[in-house]
Amino acid sequence: SQTIHQWPATLVQPVGSPLSLECTVEGTSNPNLYWYRQAAGRGLQLLFYSVGIGQISSEVPQNLSASRPQDRQFILSSKKLLLSDSGFYLCAWSVPGTVNTEAFFGQGTRLTVV
Amino acid sequence: DAKTTQPTSMDCAEGRAANLPCNHSTISGNEYVYWYRQIHSQGPQYIIHGLKNNETNEMASLIITEDRKSSTLILPHATLRDTAVYYCIVRPNTDKLIFGTGTRLQVFP
Repeated sequence: SQTIHQWPATLVQPVGSPLSLECTVEGTSNPNLYWYRQAAGRGLQLLFYSVGIGQISSEVPQNLSASRPQDRQFILSSKKLLLSDSGFYLCAWSVPGTVNTEAFFGQGTRLTVV
Repeated sequence: DAKTTQPTSMDCAEGRAANLPCNHSTISGNEYVYWYRQIHSQGPQYIIHGLKNNETNEMASLIITEDRKSSTLILPHATLRDTAVYYCIVRPNTDKLIFGTGTRLQVFP
C-alpha cells in the first residue's frame, strides 16, 4: 500500500534561518506531488506542484522553493525565513494522469518562525 | 482561485444528518466534485467524489444536482468526531486540488 511520510512534525526556527522540509512517498511510481501551506485560521494554499523529477510548478510568488531530486521525494526550502512563513505545511500525492482519484496528505509540519 | 462557494459554518446535533451544501455554478463537463475534511491540526482526509451521479460510501453520500451547479454532502448520522472543516473542490484537468475556505461543521451533543 502507498504511504506518505513528512517530517518534522513541528519546527521552531528564527527569522533569517534556512528551512528544509522533506516528504517521501512509498508504494507508487511517478506520483504527482504537492506542497500546501495553511496559515493560522485560514484555508489551504497550494504552493508547489510537481509531475516529475525536476518539474516544479510554483503557484504563488513567495520566499520558498521546492525541489524533486528523486521520483518520490519532494523538498520544500527557504534560504531565509520570514515571520510570515509560519504555518502548517502539508505534502500530498496523487496518481498522475487522471482526475478520478483522490489525493493523499501527510500529517503536516507546523512551522513557527520566531 | 477556488471555483466553489460554501457556507462558513454549520451546526448539527449528534445523531442527526448533516447536510453540507456547495455551489459550483461554473463547473465544466469533465470536472469532478471532491469532498475533503480537515480535523484540527491534521492533514485533509478524502471523503467522496463524483462526476454527475449520486455517490455513497461508508463515510457519506454525495448528491449532485442534474445541472451539476451544486452538490450536497450528507453525513447520515453525525458524531462528535465529525466536527471538522469540510472542503468542496472542483478538480480541473490539470489535476491540481485547489481548496477554498470550506465549511466549519460543529457537531454538538
